[in-house]
Amino acid sequence: DAKTTQPNSMESNEEEPVHLPCNHSTISGTDYIHWYRQLPSQGPEYVIHGLTSNVNNRMASLAIAEDRKSSTLILHRATLRDAAVYYCILSPPASGGYNKLIFGAGTRLAVHP
Amino acid sequence: NAGVMQNPRHLVRRRGQEARLRCSPMKGHSHVYWYRQLPEEGLKFMVYLQKENIIDESGMPKERFSAEFPKEGPSILRIQQVVRGDSAAYFCASLEAGGKETQYFGPGTRLLVL
Repeated sequence: DAKTTQPNSMESNEEEPVHLPCNHSTISGTDYIHWYRQLPSQGPEYVIHGLTSNVNNRMASLAIAEDRKSSTLILHRATLRDAAVYYCILSPPASGGYNKLIFGAGTRLAVHP
Repeated sequence: NAGVMQNPRHLVRRRGQEARLRCSPMKGHSHVYWYRQLPEEGLKFMVYLQKENIIDESGMPKERFSAEFPKEGPSILRIQQVVRGDSAAYFCASLEAGGKETQYFGPGTRLLVL
């Protein structure tokens, strides 16, 4: 299973952008890059995913390096509600049947008022 | 469109009893995954099921744990003869078939073994 490396923790101020990095130097050509987050006492919540191109949705943006060995989750304006543990996960395509998510320790994001 | 539902949300069992955890996937989703989160630890994959089939059970403990996803009804994670070490949050996630990649998680069942 391909592994990812994330900082243990990061801090941000409310309404400022946040860039959460993830290194995945052993990524295979077919692995998707997924980001989930887990708020306290809740289940993981899908944030965004991508394969090769940068992606945007209503929650965040995902910037993927050209060699795919790293990616960055971008929260454009952090709110207090964004305080959570953010997980960067690599997974083969679901069609192959081996797309279980392997969660690491993630990055604990603190957002200050 | 209701999300993934799990029940009960909290379950207390004494050592040696059985625990049954239920997961109803999102409407139209035919793939279910179970994960376990021990206190102060990360989530660990347990099992992946499609309707009436276990696809990947590489994360399931060899004894006392079983899972099913029948043709009708919710997916069930069953833990027999629970021990204190089984105390954890159990999350299920569902996936829509047909090339979709996103797993959607339920709120979890928090099992406490006394």
